[in-house]
Amino acid sequence: EPEVTQTPSHQVTQMGQEVILRCVPISNHLYFYWYRQILGQKVEFLVSFYNNEISEKSEIFDDQFSVERPDGSNFTLKIRSTKLEDSAMYFCASSEWGTYGYTFGSGTRLTVV
Amino acid sequence: QKEVEQNSGPLSVPEGAIASLNCTYSDRGSQSFFWYRQYSGKSPELIMSIYSNGDKEDGRFTAQLNKASQYVSLLIRDSQPSDSATYLCAVIQGSGNTPLVFGKGTRLSVIA
Repeated sequence: EPEVTQTPSHQVTQMGQEVILRCVPISNHLYFYWYRQILGQKVEFLVSFYNNEISEKSEIFDDQFSVERPDGSNFTLKIRSTKLEDSAMYFCASSEWGTYGYTFGSGTRLTVV
Repeated sequence: QKEVEQNSGPLSVPEGAIASLNCTYSDRGSQSFFWYRQYSGKSPELIMSIYSNGDKEDGRFTAQLNKASQYVSLLIRDSQPSDSATYLCAVIQGSGNTPLVFGKGTRLSVIA
């Protein structure tokens, strides 16, 4: 069964450092998303991406965040200067069509120290 | 603020019983509704989708949608200990390509 692949599975970084989280969505999917889940809290939307541009972003997705699809297969989330409160599980997801259910990757656990 | 509400639980049911999970949503224009299962430390896994009023069955799972009451539910028949997880209700609010909004989830515990 096709799956969304995320790397790394766990990243520890120092406050103020830049991190890049990587995702390979399912190949025939057109819509890509990043969500995050702080420990014990709900899954929160960060950004959606379609046709090589951001289609929607949440209040969380401020100037410290950016997304890119550099080569037609990878989909990346960059956090420019990490803060302690950025510590969370980050999930990439993709869907064939915007109103269909999303397939989530296994997540990257980001720990900012 | 458009919300998806769930009782956080925990909901405890004995093995073999029916587990009933409920969800309400605030955006009356919502079109697509989903139930995800999330084991501790893992990613959400899609188990059911429903788009029109009524019931939809898939194996031991039945999703129910009532748009007039803005209410979605999930029934799990013959509950097994392996069903113990957090169940997330998720809604695409409005129509078109708006992002999935999740509830906080209901933790289900199936007691052997």
